[in-house]
Amino acid sequence: SQQGEEDPQALSIQEGENATMNCSYKTSINNLQWYRQNSGRGLVHLILIRSNEREKHSGRLRVTLDTSKKSSSLLITASRAADTASYFCATDAGTGANNLFFGTGTRLTVIP
Amino acid sequence: ETGVTQSPTHLIKTRGQQVTLRCSSQSGHNTVSWYQQALGQGPQFIFQYYREEENGRGNFPPRFSGLQFPNYSSELNVNALELDDSALYLCASSPRRQSTGELFFGEGSRLTVL
Repeated sequence: SQQGEEDPQALSIQEGENATMNCSYKTSINNLQWYRQNSGRGLVHLILIRSNEREKHSGRLRVTLDTSKKSSSLLITASRAADTASYFCATDAGTGANNLFFGTGTRLTVIP
Repeated sequence: ETGVTQSPTHLIKTRGQQVTLRCSSQSGHNTVSWYQQALGQGPQFIFQYYREEENGRGNFPPRFSGLQFPNYSSELNVNALELDDSALYLCASSPRRQSTGELFFGEGSRLTVL
């Protein structure tokens, strides 16, 4: 079973608006990552936040992490049509391998 | 710097057949992980190879096997294909064995089992 669960499953917004996606997970983590996937292609890493961090920024991306609630959010500001993609959160399994648990993803559509 | 490359990009097999998927890791990366992504789902970890040895495995049966070569490239082999094996198979490389950083993914190999 997958540890992370994203919410909402799908999100449609107008260009220029902000998009917020949420992720919940079940067990303790070392870090949480967000990835982007364009239409069935490879995943691209967006940002990593460690368990001792609460917020992190990268360009138009803002990620928050609340370990007490086992949840994270990804905010994309001033969205663009090119942001249309699926977004996945991924948590590490702490097994010593690159075993990431991915959620089912949020499908974001940005309408020009 | 060359990114992660996978081949073939698409292939069709019939139930019971065997398939081999290939991956070249990013330059300087010694760790390769394989993931299976069914349609509409997130990727699921199959296994990882580090220095030519399996170093972590997900909940996949033994008919999923792999290899890593001295140049750090890797193969994923699946025997006795089942319909449910239809998926996008993703290879990811990293410069280290543990998930302390990002994974670099290839574009995937889409397998259809008929």
